Formats: sequence, structure tokens, C-alpha cells
Amino acid sequence: KQEVTQIPAALSVPEGENLVLNCSFTDSAIYNLQWFRQDPGKGLTSLLLIQSSQREQTSGRLNASLDKSSGRSTLYIAASQPGDSATYLCAVKTGANNLFFGTGTRLTVIP
Amino acid sequence: SAVISQKPSRDICQRGTSLTIQCQVDSQVTMMFWYRQQPGQSLTLIATANQGSEATYESGFVIDKFPISRPNLTFSTLTVSNMSPEDSSIYLCSVLQGSTEAFFGQGTRLTVV
Repeated sequence: KQEVTQIPAALSVPEGENLVLNCSFTDSAIYNLQWFRQDPGKGLTSLLLIQSSQREQTSGRLNASLDKSSGRSTLYIAASQPGDSATYLCAVKTGANNLFFGTGTRLTVIP
Repeated sequence: SAVISQKPSRDICQRGTSLTIQCQVDSQVTMMFWYRQQPGQSLTLIATANQGSEATYESGFVIDKFPISRPNLTFSTLTVSNMSPEDSSIYLCSVLQGSTEAFFGQGTRLTVV
């Protein structure tokens, strides 16, 4: 069974700092990997989707990379802002409809 | 991207009662998914809701506890029945667009007292 791990579980950085969130998965046979943002008590907002054939995706200050063979993905956030404070979740899609989620990294950006 | 409206956004319910959560999508989708997120945990898939057939439940979830309706291609409901404090969670509906990218509703934060 696919297992998804995110490290660190929590991260606190000063505003303006660049940071990297990590996601690892045990089975490299994935269709894609998706990064989400979740604000407290809310739903998930899709940030970036990387297909299994891709190496990275970029959106604004966010860059996600995928190394399928090693079972790893990173989410890079440049010039962090207090509004970036949230929990970041990664999920891998295997099979037709199965999404396996990590437990998330709770990010706090200090003004 | 798909826009998903989910309601209620939050509720506080008495134990033993039931709550029905609604999920409306702005486009037709074949499958809709219902997830549970217990406090401090990640998401767990409850069931897949298919239009025109019974929902498919994941291990540990049963229809009597979580009945699901899917009357058309844009709407689904999840009922949490005979609630206990252990059912306190965030419940989320989701769709796959183009069978690849997942989109989520804003979630229903349920507290059972």
C-alpha cells in the first residue's frame, strides 16, 4: 500500500525567507502528484499538479519538483509571506481514482 | 478548474442525531468522492459516489453509518448517521477533473457534543 510522508511536520520561518517542504512516497508507480494548501478548518486548495512524466511545475512563487524513481517531491516557496501560513499537503494518485495523502506540513511565516 | 460548493460549512450536533452534507459542482463529473479528516490527521477516503449506482465504500466505512446519494452528475450528499463524538471531523467532497487533478469543497467542520 502506498504510504506518503511529509517532513517536517511543522515549520516556522521569518517573512521573506525561501523554504522547501518535502514529500516522499513508497511506491513509484504513480499517475501524478498534487500539492494542496489547507487553511485551519477549511477545505483544500490545489496549488500544483505534476504528472508522472514531468519533473517540475511552477506557479508564481511556488515550484514543485518530482523525482519519481526516488519517490520524492519538494515544494519550494520563494520569498515567503505571512499569508502563506497554512498546512501544505501532498497527495499521490495511483490507480484510477485513489489519492494517498501525506499528513501535511504546518507552515507559519512570522512577520 | 471545478468549483465545488459544500454546505453546511460547520455544525454542532447532538449525539445520536444525523447530519446531511451537500456538495454541488459547477460541471458534470462522473465520480465524486467523500473524505474525512479527523483532528490532526490527514484525509481518509470514505466512499466514491457514482451517479446511477450505489456508492463504493472503503474499508472501515459502511452505508448504514454514511449513506450517500448521487441523484445527478453535479450533486451528492453524505449523511453522518447516529453521530457520536468520535465523528467530529472535517468532511470534504472532491472531484477529479479530466481524471487527473483533484478539487475539493470548502469542507464541513462537524462537532458532535
